[in-house]
Amino acid sequence: QITLKESGPTLVKPTQTLTLTCTFSGFSLSTTAVGVGWIRQPPGKALEWLALIYWNDDTPYNPSVRIKLTITKDTSKNQVVLTMTNVGPVDTATYYCAHFSSTTGNYYVGYFDFWGQGTPVTVSS
Amino acid sequence: SYELTQPPSVSVSPGQTASVPCSGDKLGDKYASWYQQRPGQSPVLVIYHDHKRPSGIPERFSGSSSGNTATLTISGTQAMDEAQYFCQAWDSNTVAFGGGTKLTVL
Repeated sequence: QITLKESGPTLVKPTQTLTLTCTFSGFSLSTTAVGVGWIRQPPGKALEWLALIYWNDDTPYNPSVRIKLTITKDTSKNQVVLTMTNVGPVDTATYYCAHFSSTTGNYYVGYFDFWGQGTPVTVSS
Repeated sequence: SYELTQPPSVSVSPGQTASVPCSGDKLGDKYASWYQQRPGQSPVLVIYHDHKRPSGIPERFSGSSSGNTATLTISGTQAMDEAQYFCQAWDSNTVAFGGGTKLTVL
């Protein structure tokens, strides 16, 4: 059974760095074609993909926020960490991590089949 | 960046068929996925690879894709299907989500 859970601060001040941790179970990030992604959702708005890390350490990012993001993994701890620098009020959102699967032979093409419960983050002074 | 466009809302009567479209440039050449999100809950994958259903998703959910449009179809819509639906696809090694469609079961 695959589960994921996000953790991190609920309140962050503008210009600070936000660090979110995704702790998962039921799979290994060393398995071929597996990845973990971060997706956020501002209140009442659409989903926005942020970043993904694959089993082979490849890390695509959303170009619109690329400069602020770093995604890393600790396979031994079953964790993925997302760091976002210089946050502002527009970064207020619920942040989700999700298990990524690809079965088409092109590991970039896939879907998010298991999601965490999400963690709300507010950016405010 | 790649853009996926969805209508903000779709209404359907109970027992009828609901169709939720998602449009994007040459979307039919990519694989589309669909997610259901009920209020206060995390998204749930309901369709992947255009038309495949994950284990546990009812057969009334189906998907298709051609040209510039992918479509999520819900046959025999039930009250429990009232939710927000998001399409998703890949382009140039980045993920795109649609703006979401609120399905109302009247």
